[in-house]
Amino acid sequence: DVKVTQSSRYLVKRTGEKVFLECVQDMDHENMFWYRQDPGLGLRLIYFSYDVKMKEKGDIPEGYSVSREKKERFSLILESASTNQTSMYLCASSSLGSSRIGYTFGSGTRLTVV
Amino acid sequence: DQQVKQNSPSLSVQEGRISILNCDYTNSMFDYFLWYKKYPAEGPTFLISISSIKDKNEDGRFTVFLNKSAKHLSLHIVPSQPGDSAVYFCAASEADSNYQLIWGAGTKLIIKP
Repeated sequence: DVKVTQSSRYLVKRTGEKVFLECVQDMDHENMFWYRQDPGLGLRLIYFSYDVKMKEKGDIPEGYSVSREKKERFSLILESASTNQTSMYLCASSSLGSSRIGYTFGSGTRLTVV
Repeated sequence: DQQVKQNSPSLSVQEGRISILNCDYTNSMFDYFLWYKKYPAEGPTFLISISSIKDKNEDGRFTVFLNKSAKHLSLHIVPSQPGDSAVYFCAASEADSNYQLIWGAGTKLIIKP
């Protein structure tokens, strides 16, 4: 069964902490994405990557960075967590040229910044 | 400006009746559309899709209709079941896009027993 695995389901962090959210996929997909989901705002793209060591800004990259050192792993980094980054974070992957097939999502990480 | 719009934040339907979720888009270059379903504390899962060369696609209780001239698509669920209660996202892609889906804001469907 193909999978996208996010390392934590729930996280609570303090304001100002550096936060790492990890995502691993076992489908050999080229593309990986980080979204956040907030009520009434749907899925907003933070960053995406279409190859190892490649990254592209999405719609809301401010306050975030990413790392993709290996094809299967895509990390989202909150450099200095703030309360407005409290959200559900979703990782997804897809194979190149497969926008027709869509994405496979992880189960999400519910991050609370206090 | 939102290219994919789901104007109803929520919808409540009686069990056994038809649920109709709507989605509008503005980009005439979109040629493929997908619906995803999301339960709380889980990631979205693919439900059904449609290419712009078709105007209807069925999969069991789920049917998606596409009206290209109106730039409108709808998802019909018949009959609605309690397990259908979830948030439904509409997404669209362009022919030249290798990797990006454009998402609507989602509609929360509540099935009443």
